[in-house]
Amino acid sequence: QVQLVESGGGLVKPGGSLRLSCEVSGLSVSDYYMSWIRQAPGKGLEWIAYMSSSGNTKYYGDSVKGRITISRDNAKNSLHLQMSSLRPEDTAMYYCVSRSGWYSAFENWGQGALVTVSS
Amino acid sequence: EIVLTQSPGTLSLSPGERATLSCRASQTVTNNYLAWYQQKSGQAPRLLISGASKRATGIPDRFSGSGSGTDFTLTISSLEPEDSAVYYCQQYGSSPPITFGQGTRLQIK
Repeated sequence: QVQLVESGGGLVKPGGSLRLSCEVSGLSVSDYYMSWIRQAPGKGLEWIAYMSSSGNTKYYGDSVKGRITISRDNAKNSLHLQMSSLRPEDTAMYYCVSRSGWYSAFENWGQGALVTVSS
Repeated sequence: EIVLTQSPGTLSLSPGERATLSCRASQTVTNNYLAWYQQKSGQAPRLLISGASKRATGIPDRFSGSGSGTDFTLTISSLEPEDSAVYYCQQYGSSPPITFGQGTRLQIK
């Protein structure tokens, strides 16, 4: 059974930084295409970051480009999202998501980590 | 970037009725790489349909997807109370970026 468990969310001031983690079981992060998707309160879904199974390819959404970095730890089978220069509009639930291939839907989702950016 | 437009914004139906949700793309979705997700209140989204018409594991057969090119439909043949949720379409054939529709809220009376 696949499980993705996010952690590291919380309250941070504008301009601050935060690192989200996603502990994965039931699949290997080095065999899957991993993404982060966020959802602002009461809003829709926004894909923001992606890493290929090889780890060589990373993409970022325009709204967060230059402020976030996706990474993974194969030994710990975990995914991470380092966020900096946070803005109030970054307030959202952040989901760790996996898919089995480039042309695959998002098959497995974590329960989400809430990030609130406020002074 | 492919823009997905879902309609209607909100749908209110009774148990046993048929629900038809639409997703229209601003350009052709490559190889019909179109997925549907269900998100219940306070929960993460769940994959229902991929490749426009393939049900995900464990999804009841009252959920079906159809369409091609730029017009896609999610049909729920006989509504159950637990189908109350927001439904999102998503394309993954032309990325990045991967894009989602804005969602359709389905209310069961």
